[in-house]
Amino acid sequence: DVKVTQSSRYLVKRTGEKVFLECVQDMDHENMFWYRQDPGLGLRLIYFSYDVKMKEKGDIPEGYSVSREKKERFSLILESASTNQTSMYLCASSLGFGGQQPQHFGDGTRLSIL
Amino acid sequence: AQSVTQLGSHVSVSEGALVLLRCNYSSSVPPYLFWYVQYPNQGLQLLLKYTSAATLVKGINGFEAEFKKSETSFHLTKPSAHMSDAAEYFCAVITFGGNTPLVFGKGTRLSVIA
Repeated sequence: DVKVTQSSRYLVKRTGEKVFLECVQDMDHENMFWYRQDPGLGLRLIYFSYDVKMKEKGDIPEGYSVSREKKERFSLILESASTNQTSMYLCASSLGFGGQQPQHFGDGTRLSIL
Repeated sequence: AQSVTQLGSHVSVSEGALVLLRCNYSSSVPPYLFWYVQYPNQGLQLLLKYTSAATLVKGINGFEAEFKKSETSFHLTKPSAHMSDAAEYFCAVITFGGNTPLVFGKGTRLSVIA
């Protein structure tokens, strides 16, 4: 089974801090994704990557950056955390594009910015 | 661009009753369609997927969905609800052969009443 592991289930940080959310997948998937999930808004795509050192902006990239130095690891960075970034963050991976390959999700990180 | 609309942010059924969760998609080319389930404090888990092989797709936990091109729908059903089905359900679409991430609906929360 595909395993997508997010480093923290719960995280509390302060306004202005630089925050790193880490995600690792163990199935050699090309594609990795970061979403945030908020009540009533569903999942919104922040960034995705289809190869090492490649990144593409999603629907809401402002205030975030990403890093993919190794194929299995995709990091989400909040450069200067703000309270409106309090949310559930979900990482996912998939085996290539082309449609048939589903995305596999981690358990999420619930981030609170105080 | 493709999109997904889930009708009803919250659906409530009695235990043993039929579950029907609605999903309509918009896509200018043949789509791949997915249903995911999210249990409390967990990530998303794939329930089933439509990839053009058959219009009636069976998934895990007794769920199934039917692709209806004329109605641009992919509704999720289960004949008899169980308490353990209480969760949030997401419909998602990707264009056949496309090179873009999944597009998710806003989700439907299913409550099951004893």
